[in-house]
Amino acid sequence: QQQVKQSPQSLIVQKGGISIINCAYENTAFDYFPWYQQFPGKGPALLIAIRPDVSEKKEGRFTISFNKSAKQFSLHIMDSQPGDSATYFCAASGGSNYKLTFGKGTLLTVNP
Amino acid sequence: EPEVTQTPSHQVTQMGQEVILRCVPISNHLYFYWYRQILGQKVEFLVSFYNNEISEKSEIFDDQFSVERPDGSNFTLKIRSTKLEDSAMYFCASSSDYGEQFFGPGTRLTVL
Repeated sequence: QQQVKQSPQSLIVQKGGISIINCAYENTAFDYFPWYQQFPGKGPALLIAIRPDVSEKKEGRFTISFNKSAKQFSLHIMDSQPGDSATYFCAASGGSNYKLTFGKGTLLTVNP
Repeated sequence: EPEVTQTPSHQVTQMGQEVILRCVPISNHLYFYWYRQILGQKVEFLVSFYNNEISEKSEIFDDQFSVERPDGSNFTLKIRSTKLEDSAMYFCASSSDYGEQFFGPGTRLTVL
C-alpha cells in the first residue's frame, strides 16, 4: 500500500515533443506529490509538486495533472529539450509520515 | 540559493569498518532525512529526524545505522559495521516543514 508505481521505465521523445510520465498510488493518506529530476551522479532536484486540492499545476514547460479518484498523477513536459534528458522520479508522502515514497524512475531521452 | 551539502562525495571502505557520512542541511530547516539509492534503482527512505530525535525509520535502518545532529549545522549518518550491500549513494535531505524536501548531491559509498 506504500508503493508508488511509475511508468514508463524509459521514454524517448524528439526535441519539441511532449513527454508524459505516469504514476499511481494506493495509500489514500498521501497528500503531497512531488516530481524530482535527477542527472547522473547528482542528487534528486525538486521540479514541481502538487497537493490534492487542485487537479493541475503548471510551472513553465512542466505540468502535473492529478486525478484523486483514480489515485493517479502525471508529469507533462511540453516542448521537450535535449537538456531535459534525465531520470524523473515521482514521489508521495502524507498522513503522519513526512518520508517520501519514490517511484522507480523514468529515464527520459530527448533526441535533438 | 541555499543548498544541502554532503561530504565526502565518495567514500571507499572495507567491509566491517565504520563510516560516517556528513551533511549540512539548509540553515533554517527543521526536518532532516537520509535516503539511499542503490545503483540504477529508486531512492529509498532510511530515516527522518526532527527536534533532535528520530521521527521515523525504515526497515533498512537497523541497529548498524545511527544518526546524530552533533551541533547546530551538521547532520550525520553512521554505519557501524559496513556490509557489501551497503554500497549505494546516500542522500541527505532537509525541509522547513511538511512538504518540499531538498536533496544534497549525495555520498557514493563503496564497500569492498
